[in-house]
Amino acid sequence: GAVVSQHPSRVICKSGTSVKIECRSLDFQATTMFWYRQFPKQSLMLMATSNEGSKATYEQGVEKDKFLINHASLTLSTLTVTSAHPEDSSFYICSAPPGPENTEAFFGQGTRLTVV
Amino acid sequence: QKEVEQNSGPLSVPEGAIASLNCTYSDRGSQSFFWYRQYSGKSPELIMFIYSNGDKEDGRFTAQLNKASQYVSLLIRDSQPSDSATYLCAVSKSGGYNKLIFGAGTRLAVHP
Repeated sequence: GAVVSQHPSRVICKSGTSVKIECRSLDFQATTMFWYRQFPKQSLMLMATSNEGSKATYEQGVEKDKFLINHASLTLSTLTVTSAHPEDSSFYICSAPPGPENTEAFFGQGTRLTVV
Repeated sequence: QKEVEQNSGPLSVPEGAIASLNCTYSDRGSQSFFWYRQYSGKSPELIMFIYSNGDKEDGRFTAQLNKASQYVSLLIRDSQPSDSATYLCAVSKSGGYNKLIFGAGTRLAVHP
């Protein structure tokens, strides 16, 4: 089946630095990628939707200047957490639909970000 | 009111029993409904999706949808310890796949 590969799986960074998370669709072209964030014991919250070749759409309350999304090709979407702070520590997950008629969303493996 | 509500649990059932997980949603325009299983520290895995009122069965799992009551449930028959996980209900507003709104999840514990 369709696979979305997400890297890194874990990252620890110092406060104030930036972290880039990559999601690649391995055997299909992803024109859309959803980025979610999940805090401990909470649900997945949609942060933004990236679209290949156009600007990302951010959900209300998500700072677009802090969470930079780039979808430069049909197989790669990236999320950069800029000037990370401890409150940004979370589990970040990407998800892509493999096609407009397919009902299943394929999730990346997730990235556990810890900001110290 | 949250868009998708689930009882956080934990729901504890003995091995071999039926586990019943419930979910309600607030937007009557929701059309697609999904159940995901998530193990700690891992991404969600799709168990089932349902579009139409009624029951949909897949192996040990049965999803039930009642749009009039804005209610969707998941039954797990012959529960196994390996079923112990958090079960996430998700809804989408358009047909097929669109951005998903997730519930907070119900933690299921199946004890031997």
